[in-house]
Amino acid sequence: ETGVTQTPRHLVMGMTNKKSLKCEQHLGHNAMYWYKQSAKKPLELMFVYSLEERVENNSVPSRFSPECPNSSHLFLHLHTLQPEDSALYLCASSLWGGQSTDTQYFGPGTRLTVL
Amino acid sequence: RKEVEQDPGPFNVPEGATVAFNCTYSNSASQSFFWYRQDCRKEPKLLMSVYSSGNEDGRFTAQLNRASQYISLLIRDSKLSDSATYLCVVRDSGGYQKVTFGTGTKLQVIP
Repeated sequence: ETGVTQTPRHLVMGMTNKKSLKCEQHLGHNAMYWYKQSAKKPLELMFVYSLEERVENNSVPSRFSPECPNSSHLFLHLHTLQPEDSALYLCASSLWGGQSTDTQYFGPGTRLTVL
Repeated sequence: RKEVEQDPGPFNVPEGATVAFNCTYSNSASQSFFWYRQDCRKEPKLLMSVYSSGNEDGRFTAQLNRASQYISLLIRDSKLSDSATYLCVVRDSGGYQKVTFGTGTKLQVIP
């Protein structure tokens, strides 16, 4: 399935590095999401964009910076991360974030390790 | 109380068995409910939505009990391929309609 793609799939970075995660959806959806999944924790919603406007920011540290240039692409810019930021970062998209029947489709995720 | 709570398991069941998972949610105004499946080191994938009247998809049956604020997933005739983590997902009403995931229940079907 290639509805939602993410690159890179794996990333190892030092605390002083700057990197970006990329997500692309080919489903014609209007909403895109970033989630963080750590071991033994539920998925944590980080950011939501609907029609390229940020509609939700769940008190995420400023070392994570999202960018949504259009409804098909979503980036997560990373800088000066901490080892506890190591996790699986999942991108999702949905037709629109405001309807009860709205269903999110996930990308394969980027497994991030911060040394 | 957690917004969405699930027994983490693992549930170890033999092939062919019937297994049921429950999920409780704290917000009585929650509007819609889903079960997702997540295989090890893979992304979550929608298994089924949960409707008020209950719904069935092959071997899978989902139920919603609004009065007691829980949803359930029943898997009949378990297959080895059903081994995965099952995530309960709750969507709130109003505004953006926030989506909250449970931590998941791990199922291991044993030959």
